[in-house]
Amino acid sequence: EPEVTQTPSHQVTQMGQEVILRCVPISNHLYFYWYRQILGQKVEFLVSFYNNEISEKSEIFDDQFSVERPDGSNFTLKIRSTKLEDSAMYFCASNEQGRETQYFGPGTRLLVL
Amino acid sequence: GENVEQHPSTLSVQEGDSAVIKCTYSDSASNYFPWYKQELGKRPQLIIDIRSNVGEKKDQRIAVTLNKTAKHFSLHITETQPEDSAVYFCAASMSRDDKIIFGKGTRLHILP
Repeated sequence: EPEVTQTPSHQVTQMGQEVILRCVPISNHLYFYWYRQILGQKVEFLVSFYNNEISEKSEIFDDQFSVERPDGSNFTLKIRSTKLEDSAMYFCASNEQGRETQYFGPGTRLLVL
Repeated sequence: GENVEQHPSTLSVQEGDSAVIKCTYSDSASNYFPWYKQELGKRPQLIIDIRSNVGEKKDQRIAVTLNKTAKHFSLHITETQPEDSAVYFCAASMSRDDKIIFGKGTRLHILP
């Protein structure tokens, strides 16, 4: 069964550094999402992406965040200047057009020191 | 925007007994309600979902009920087993291509 994949699984960075988190959605899916989960808390929506543009973003997704689909398979989340509070698990998700079910990737655990 | 409340935050049940987790949502426009199971350090996995045109759905030991009028929905797990121990999240969404809003999660412990 096809799955969403994410790299890296873990990333440790210094405060103020840029990070890029990578996702490969399921191949026939057209809608892509990033969520984050701070340790022990609920999963929170960051941004949705369709047809090469952002569909919606939350108030968490400020100017330090950006998303891109650089080619036909990858979907990336960039944090320009990381803060301590960006430490979290970041999940990518995708779904088919016309279907509600979102499939989540395994996540990238980001630790900002 | 949509807000999903979930109770209880922790639930311990004896193996073989039933577990019930309850959620409420705030926006009557929400029409899709998935439930996710998350094991420690793993991705959320969809276990069952229900749409607003249906009042109940069952899949083996798992069932979900929805009361649109009261904006309540619940997860029922019968004959619980040790492998049911995990964090369960209820969620709500407004359309096929919309973000999912999660509840805060319920940590379910199955006691031997």
